[in-house]
Amino acid sequence: GAVVSQHPSRVICKSGTSVKIECRSLDFQATTMFWYRQFPKQSLMLMATSNEGSKATYEQGVEKDKFLINHASLTLSTLTVTSAHPEDSSFYICSARSPSGNAGELFFGEGSRLTVL
Amino acid sequence: LAKTTQPISMDSYEGQEVNITCSHNNIATNDYITWYQQFPSQGPRFIIQGYKTKVTNEVASLFIPADRKSSTLSLPRVSLSDTAVYYCLVGVSFQKLVFGTGTRLLVSP
Repeated sequence: GAVVSQHPSRVICKSGTSVKIECRSLDFQATTMFWYRQFPKQSLMLMATSNEGSKATYEQGVEKDKFLINHASLTLSTLTVTSAHPEDSSFYICSARSPSGNAGELFFGEGSRLTVL
Repeated sequence: LAKTTQPISMDSYEGQEVNITCSHNNIATNDYITWYQQFPSQGPRFIIQGYKTKVTNEVASLFIPADRKSSTLSLPRVSLSDTAVYYCLVGVSFQKLVFGTGTRLLVSP
């Protein structure tokens, strides 16, 4: 199946710093990628839809200036958590649809666990 | 976006069949029903997808009644490694997909 890879898988940073998470589609081109956030014991919450070559679409309540999304190529989307604070500590997951996948199928990355001290 | 409702948790024993039902009363004509499995600290993994009737693959079966307002994921003869959270999603992947609460399945020896 199609492969989506995230990097880093874990990151620890100090409060006030910025952290960038990369999401790559390794064997297919993805015009659209989705970013989710997941807190412990909770479901995935959609944060934004990343569109190649255009601005991301953010879900209600998600600060676009806080969570910067760049989808500069058909295989790479990045999520930058700016001026991170402890409450931003979470598991961030990206996903993308592959042309070879089923109609409703998304391929998910391994996730990136962010810990802000 | 179709909203889904699933049981929060289920318990089972090794070797048993597990059926997890999902309600999606406002499913749209073009929507597919897709089930994902998630282990702790991992991204969700595709299990099975269907549009209507029954679909079976090497790991599960998906039963969808004619009105498509619900679906049932059937896991035959579960093992300890099937302990995970199972999500039912409704939609098409070129649109955003919203996760519901999921069902936390615990398989005991």
